[in-house]
Amino acid sequence: EIVLTQSPDTLSLSPGERATLSCRASQSVSSSYLAWYQQKPGQAPRLLIYGASIRATGIPDRFSGSGSGTDFTLTISRLEPEDFAVYYCQQYGSSFTFGPGTKVDIK
Amino acid sequence: EVQLVQSGAEVKKPGESLKISCKGSGYSLTSNWIGWVRQMPGKGLEWMGIIYPGDSETRYSPSFQGQVTMSADKSISTSYLQWSSLKASDTAMYYCARLVSSWFYFDYWGQGTLVTVSS
Repeated sequence: EIVLTQSPDTLSLSPGERATLSCRASQSVSSSYLAWYQQKPGQAPRLLIYGASIRATGIPDRFSGSGSGTDFTLTISRLEPEDFAVYYCQQYGSSFTFGPGTKVDIK
Repeated sequence: EVQLVQSGAEVKKPGESLKISCKGSGYSLTSNWIGWVRQMPGKGLEWMGIIYPGDSETRYSPSFQGQVTMSADKSISTSYLQWSSLKASDTAMYYCARLVSSWFYFDYWGQGTLVTVSS
């Protein structure tokens, strides 16, 4: 099973700042099968990025994804108040796994 | 509009059985696999398994194989997750989500069903 590690655990930033979230896999992941989700308290996860870098429908362009192999990154170019949330990466190899999440909170 | 609507919160005792549901609308349920995801209180997301409502083919995470059963009734566009004997450790929020199988991501999610198991 491919294990995903996310860092940092928590990112404390101010609105307007840039957020860089990392997702590292224990073995190589097809870029086609790497996704990112946002989850706010009391809500279901929301798809942000799939195929490592393709924004889902309706996702603002301040969200971008990149990476390949074992290292993937989610970048939020300028944090808006509504972006403070927990972010999960997810991969599919022979099964699905989620990373443990990175919490982006207000500094 | 694609929607997945899950059944309401449940409070059960250890040893009891439970079946929760996820009803899809706005698309053909036989076009996509449905996944189930557990989120224990204050914790992250865990993939439990997927089911193809068209023929009820299932694939379970090894962590959940034998612990839960997924099923579906395509005639009413509904997928199910059931337990035969609940444990306190089954207390969690359970989400269903639609799988886009060409890219293996979950694009639409249900609102979640909170299951509380307590004596």
